[in-house]
Amino acid sequence: QSVLTQPPSASGTPGQRVIISCSASSSNIGSEYVYWYQQHPGTTPKLLIYRNTQRPSGVSDRFSGSKSGTSASLAISGLRSDDEADYYCAAWDDSLSGYVIFGGGTKLTVL
Amino acid sequence: QVTLRESGPALLKPTQTLTLTCTFSGFSFTTAGMCVSWIRQPPGKAPEWLARIDWEGDKYYSPSLRTRLTISKDTSKDEVVFTMINMDPVDTATYYCAREDSSYGLFDYWGQGIVVTVSS
Repeated sequence: QSVLTQPPSASGTPGQRVIISCSASSSNIGSEYVYWYQQHPGTTPKLLIYRNTQRPSGVSDRFSGSKSGTSASLAISGLRSDDEADYYCAAWDDSLSGYVIFGGGTKLTVL
Repeated sequence: QVTLRESGPALLKPTQTLTLTCTFSGFSFTTAGMCVSWIRQPPGKAPEWLARIDWEGDKYYSPSLRTRLTISKDTSKDEVVFTMINMDPVDTATYYCAREDSSYGLFDYWGQGIVVTVSS
């Protein structure tokens, strides 16, 4: 099965820009969209970025997504204390009859 | 307004079967492109996708858990039922149902989740 690899942790100070990466182990992901979710402790994951670069209504433009080949990134600019959360990437893998994989998550700390 | 709500048992014994129901509103399987997935998240770990059913009734399962899972839908009731057989303590997690649609793709709306504990 394919794997999406994220750094376990990231950090930044208020106002900084932070980038979280998501790398796929398989080229199966290369043509698929990547999604990003934000999860604060004790809450449900929230869709942050869909289809690589798109923000749902209501999501701050401080969050942006990009994708190149089998790697994707989430950038958070103007870091705020309430950005401290876990961030997960996800993608559809079209092999093995199709399934969804999640990255292992990145815990973002705002120093 | 789209909402999803999971219901089912909070506690199971090893080897028992888990049956969860996702009751939703604000969308329908009569609309092309609608899908509902089940996702679980063990305490302190990443979400793990389990299964999906789409508006046409096509079903998709996690390759590693396929033999234990069943997903079905009742379009008239706006419900999706999920079963996992042979539960084990390692299956202890919060179980979510989540919507996918053709506009956004994966999981734009999630239920609040249900905590399922497997213990003897």
